Parts: sequence; structure tokens; C-alpha cells
Amino acid sequence: SQQGEEDPQALSIQEGENATMNCSYKTSINNLQWYRQNSGRGLVHLILIRSNEREKHSGRLRVTLDTSKKSSSLLITASRAADTASYFCATDAVTGAQKLVFGQGTRLTINP
Amino acid sequence: DAGITQSPRHKVTETGTPVTLRCHQTENHRYMYWYRQDPGHGLRLIHYSYGVKDTDKGEVSDGYSVSRSKTEDFLLTLESATSSQTSVYFCAISEGTNYEQYFGPGTRLTVT
Repeated sequence: SQQGEEDPQALSIQEGENATMNCSYKTSINNLQWYRQNSGRGLVHLILIRSNEREKHSGRLRVTLDTSKKSSSLLITASRAADTASYFCATDAVTGAQKLVFGQGTRLTINP
Repeated sequence: DAGITQSPRHKVTETGTPVTLRCHQTENHRYMYWYRQDPGHGLRLIHYSYGVKDTDKGEVSDGYSVSRSKTEDFLLTLESATSSQTSVYFCAISEGTNYEQYFGPGTRLTVT
């Protein structure tokens, strides 16, 4: 079963608007990561947030983490057509195993 | 995709034939991973390696084997390909789950 689940599965907005994607997970984690995947390409790392952090920023990206609710959100501000992609959250687990579990992703479409 | 390559990039094979996919890195990262990506399932871990000759199973390991005889190479073998193994396969490397994963460009495998 998937550790992380993104919501919504698909999101379509106008260029310039903000996009928010959510991720829920099931077990305790050390950190949570967000990745982007453009069509036909490999995943690209966006941001990592550790379990003792509540919010992190990188350029137009803002990630929050609520470990009590086992959830995270990714906010992309002032969206651009180039932001059109699928976005995945990935979590490790506090087991020592050096592997991530990915959610099914949110497909984001930015309309010009 | 810099520093990590996959070969072949596309392959069509018949049911019952053996197939080997290769992942090659030039980053000297300790951990290497094989994932498959299918519509509706996101990215699922097949096997991973935490060092030369050290491997472990992932979520969907049945029907797959791996080998890592050198730090830079991680091979994924389908001993007898089945149609259910038609998928896009991604290799990734990292220094552990406290760090980002870098993904290769993917291999599109079709089993007829």
C-alpha cells in the first residue's frame, strides 16, 4: 500500500494563480520530500522537509509539514506554464531502511 | 539526469524472454534503486542496493532480480518477462533517505 497519498489527483488552474497540493502518509517519518515529473522524464527533487520542521521555502515553493496530522502541503505561487507537471510526495519511515515510498502524484496543468 | 544513465531507453520483447536493464552512475552514490511507474500506481520500488553485492527487496519484487557488482552499475533482470511487467522503469541514486534521489531518464519496456 502507498505510504503517501496526494490530493487532488489532478488540478487545473490559470497561469498566475497559486496551486496547492496535499500529501497524507501513514507512519512516522524522518523527512518528507517533494518531486516533480515532466511528461516522459525522470523525477526531479524539489524540496526536503525534516520531521522537526514545520515550513520550508524554496523560490516560489512553500512546503508545510504537520506530523500530528501526518500531512504535508506543497504550494506553488504565481504559477507558470512551465509548472505543468506531475508532483509526488515521498516519505521515508523511521525504520532505518534507506528507501522512500512515493504517492501516486498530482497532475498539475497550468492554462495560459 | 546528469550522472545517471539507463540502457536501453526503449525495449520491446516477447513474453517468456529474459530482459536485463542497466543503470549506470558516475556520482559514486552508495544507494541505487529500481522503480516501476504505471498509471494509477505512481512509483513503486522493485529492489534497491545499499552497496556492492548488498541488495534488498522493495514493494513489488516478484519476478525481478538485481545485481550490483560495481558501485556504478545496478542491473535489473526479468528472468521471464510477462505482459504485467510492461511499464516504465526508473533507476535512482542517493546518499540515503536524508538526501534527495536523482533519477535516470527511464526505460520504456513493452512485453508482447
